[in-house]
Formats: sequence, C-alpha cells, structure tokens
Amino acid sequence: DSGVTQTPKHLITATGQRVTLRCSPRSGDLSVYWYQQSLDQGLQFLIQYYNGEERAKGNILERFSAQQFPDLHSELNLSSLELGDSALYFCASSTGSNQPQHFGDGTRLSIL
Amino acid sequence: DQQVKQNSPSLSVQEGRISILNCDYTNSMFDYFLWYKKYPAEGPTFLISISSIKDKNEDGRFTVFLNKSAKHLSLHIVPSQPGDSAVYFCAARTSATNKLIFGTGTLLAVQP
Repeated sequence: DSGVTQTPKHLITATGQRVTLRCSPRSGDLSVYWYQQSLDQGLQFLIQYYNGEERAKGNILERFSAQQFPDLHSELNLSSLELGDSALYFCASSTGSNQPQHFGDGTRLSIL
Repeated sequence: DQQVKQNSPSLSVQEGRISILNCDYTNSMFDYFLWYKKYPAEGPTFLISISSIKDKNEDGRFTVFLNKSAKHLSLHIVPSQPGDSAVYFCAARTSATNKLIFGTGTLLAVQP
C-alpha cells in the first residue's frame, strides 16, 4: 500500500461528458502528480501541484484541468470526453522534488 | 520523441538466476533515475533510484547501475524470485522539473 488513494477505481461514461478523478496523497506529501497511461504506452506526465500551486505541466490537453485543495487532495477534471481519452489515470505524491514519487492504483476511465 | 527507452518488451529468467533489465536515455540533462515495478491492476511501486553523481546503488537483491557516457542504466535482480514477475519501468528526471519521463516497460517472467 503506497498510501496514495485514488477514487473511483473504474469510471465508464460517454463521449462529450465530464468526469472528476480524485487523489489523496500520502500523509505529509505536498506534491501531487497526474499521469496518463494509454493502451500500449508508458506513463505520460500531465501536471504537478505543490502545496496548492501548479508547479509543472506536461502534454495536458486544454479539455483537462486539475487543482490541489488546502487539505492537499487533488482532482483531475476531464471534459468533452473523446474515445481517445480512455486510459488509466495515475496520481502520485512525494515529499519533495528529490524524493521518489509514490503512485496510487489508478482510475480506469472507459469512454463508450 | 522517446527520451527513455526500454528496448526489451519482455524477459524470461529462471528462479535463482540474475535478471538484468536495461534502459537507455537520450537527454543528457537527466540527473535522477528510478525503477518501478508494476503488477496488473495496481499502480507502479518504487523500487530503487540513483542520482547521476553515482554509478551504482544497491538495495538488497536490487542493484541499479548507471553509465552516463553510454546514457544507459540497468537493474539487476539477484537472485530472481517468482514474485518478481511484473512489468518494470525505468524513469528519469531533470533537476529543472519534477516530471518523470517513463520508458514503455519490460515484462519480467521468473520461471519456478
């Protein structure tokens, strides 16, 4: 158990819809990261938050947004969903920039 | 542009023997490297890391070697155990950003 909690584990929805994925980091971790793993691809970095502020951005689509709340949990919002957004979405957390990132078990998003 | 490459999609090893997983990278600015293990339906689990100022780091049965001139790192598992069967990802990071760049993974099968 990494200590990072992601909900829901599975999400099935239709094209054009909007969903919110939730992540609770390990106790004491200030940094939260979001990654996407599509079929046959490695994990792709989306975005990082540190103590409530956006710190780094990867190839995140404009239809996607995220935020980190004062209690340090984070949400990833995906809107105008397309079939290609079907993927595993992982959240990770770390205590600092030079520390390993610890991952949750992911949310599997299926777009029908 | 795949900055981190794992050219072997799969590897099969006998229990008790050494497993060697390889990873190549192209960005000379990477200064921190990590290995993660992933079981199905779980998130990646941190195994071991190495800073670019070192060429070797050991933790129990796991040793990571870094050859900066060749832009190559490897993970050695000795002795291999059936429970080591999983997908192994290498990842790299620059000090300028905390985002991890992942390889596409190598599926290790340890045969009893």
